[in-house]
Amino acid sequence: QVQLQESGPGLVKPSQTLSLTCTVSGGSISSGIYYWTWIRQPAGKGLEWIGRIYATGSTNYNPSLKSRVTISVDASKNQFSLNLSSMTAADTAVYYCAREGSIVGTYWYFDLWGRGTLVTVSS
Amino acid sequence: DIQMTQSPSSLSASVGDRVTITCRAGQTISSYLNWYQQKLGKAPKVLIYAASTLQSGVPSRFSGSGSGTDFTLTISSLQPEDFATYFCQQSYSAPYTFGQGTKLEI
Repeated sequence: QVQLQESGPGLVKPSQTLSLTCTVSGGSISSGIYYWTWIRQPAGKGLEWIGRIYATGSTNYNPSLKSRVTISVDASKNQFSLNLSSMTAADTAVYYCAREGSIVGTYWYFDLWGRGTLVTVSS
Repeated sequence: DIQMTQSPSSLSASVGDRVTITCRAGQTISSYLNWYQQKLGKAPKVLIYAASTLQSGVPSRFSGSGSGTDFTLTISSLQPEDFATYFCQQSYSAPYTFGQGTKLEI
């Protein structure tokens, strides 16, 4: 079955850029019927949608992070990535990659998640 | 952004109880509402999508209802494995937003 796995550094210094990768296994990222998404969750808090990418490369970002976020896809590696610049302590969180799918092409939801990776921002 | 407000933020219940969690959207979102369950240290798992459609493999004791701005998640008879945090999420428009969560405790 399809699985998602995040990878990247667990510790980032303030002002640096975070780079995370999500590897999709058991299926093709280019199937064309899914959005590939990043979501984060600070410890003990709620979930924040960061943004998403379609297989074509089309992206949508959360306006609150838009100036700092880039999401890209590498279909040859079956991966998609998150870059978040100018990191601060407020960006410390568990970062999840997720797949957004739809059964009927109208109602979309996150049907598959990675296990998440903790990113701490500290000098 | 569409604000999503859940209540209560925490809830104590017992095995066998019937439990209802509510979610209110800051504007009408039709039926573009999903519910997720998150256990400690794990990724969220979808329970209900499109306000009332049960995700494949999810026990039938979970149900969802509502449309417009007011939604509910009901667990008809709590089981030990249901003690977790529950989130609602709107998929009406980007940026997608989540409720703050309801922690269901014994």
